[in-house]
Amino acid sequence: GAVVSQHPSRVICKSGTSVKIECRSLDFQATTMFWYRQFPKQSLMLMATSNEGSKATYEQGVEKDKFLINHASLTLSTLTVTSAHPEDSSFYICSARAWAGGFTGELFFGEGSRLTVL
Amino acid sequence: DAKTTQPTSMDCAEGRAANLPCNHSTISGNEYVYWYRQIHSQGPQYIIHGLKNNETNEMASLIITEDRKSSTLILPHATLRDTAVYYCIVRALVSGNTPLVFGKGTRLSVIA
Repeated sequence: GAVVSQHPSRVICKSGTSVKIECRSLDFQATTMFWYRQFPKQSLMLMATSNEGSKATYEQGVEKDKFLINHASLTLSTLTVTSAHPEDSSFYICSARAWAGGFTGELFFGEGSRLTVL
Repeated sequence: DAKTTQPTSMDCAEGRAANLPCNHSTISGNEYVYWYRQIHSQGPQYIIHGLKNNETNEMASLIITEDRKSSTLILPHATLRDTAVYYCIVRALVSGNTPLVFGKGTRLSVIA
């Protein structure tokens, strides 16, 4: 399948600091990427839709000033958790839809980034 | 998107076929059935999708009933590495970029 890569896979930070997570589509271009969050033993929850060259669209209850999303190119979207607190500790997953290269719109997901805020 | 219903959990013996059911009785004519799985601490992995015909790929087979109100994902020879949460998602294949909405899925445990 198409490849979506996230970095870092794990990050530990102190409360109050900011953390940036990168999401790259390696073999296709993605005008739109999606960011999900997953707490232990729960399903994935959509946080926001990242659009290349424009502002992200956030789901209800997700603070746009806390979770900054930048989608500056067709292959890269970043999620920055600003002033992180322990309750932000979670598994963050990005995804992108592949239309080219034989794919017909399947969503592919990154490996996920586990954030632990101390 | 139509709602889906899956069993919370299932066990399967290693080497046997794993048959994971999904009910989607309110599915619309333009909605596809997608299956993804999530192995612990990894991102979801696309498995297969179909509209009304049965589909097969290197990972699994998808059997959709004639009335399209239910489907079954079949892993023909389950291995321990197939232990994961399996998500059945129904949505239209749209040209726009819309996300997938995940339910709770079925936790499949493959037992040696």
